[in-house]
Amino acid sequence: QQQVKQSPQSLIVQKGGISIINCAYENTAFDYFPWYQQFPGKGPALLIAIRPDVSEKKEGRFTISFNKSAKQFSLHIMDSQPGDSATYFCAATDDQTGANNLFFGTGTRLTVIP
Amino acid sequence: DTAVSQTPKYLVTQMGNDKSIKCEQNLGHDTMYWYKQDSKKFLKIMFSYNNKELIINETVPNRFSPKSPDKAHLNLHINSLELGDSAVYFCASSPKIGRASYEQYFGPGTRLTVT
Repeated sequence: QQQVKQSPQSLIVQKGGISIINCAYENTAFDYFPWYQQFPGKGPALLIAIRPDVSEKKEGRFTISFNKSAKQFSLHIMDSQPGDSATYFCAATDDQTGANNLFFGTGTRLTVIP
Repeated sequence: DTAVSQTPKYLVTQMGNDKSIKCEQNLGHDTMYWYKQDSKKFLKIMFSYNNKELIINETVPNRFSPKSPDKAHLNLHINSLELGDSAVYFCASSPKIGRASYEQYFGPGTRLTVT
């Protein structure tokens, strides 16, 4: 079953706007929540990540908001740029398996219109 | 100075053939992974390897076998290829197991097409 649910499937935003992608999980053992960015023909690249002991993490124009009680987290991209057009994946993992396997969401294809 | 590299980038083959995909990381990481990305871009873990030992095999057909000659390499062998094996396969690595570091670094992917 899908361990991490992600929405929306696709998103179109005007340049300068805010892009918001949401994810939800059920497994309370998850303790690391990264976001990956993937350009066509490339591998996913780590963008930003958060642990459940904080509610927000910001790096440049990218912010993760985390709601532990609701088991939800989201990625906000401020001042979205055409270069941000890519597929974004949320993910979650824990150390119970001893391997930090990443469970990915289904991805959001972001298009930023100039 | 590519961190995680995979060869080949593209692989086209016929059903029933046996093929291999190679992965190398020069990051000094302890753990390596194989992921499969299907046509809908869904990413799913296949294998995790730490210090040349298999940790996780996520319900993958035994036609798929990972082989790690050393800590820097994790190759994926696929026997008796099927149409449904067509996908993009990503290798990844991470520094260590446990809470200390979860960051995984992905290779560029190998697009496998089975005809």
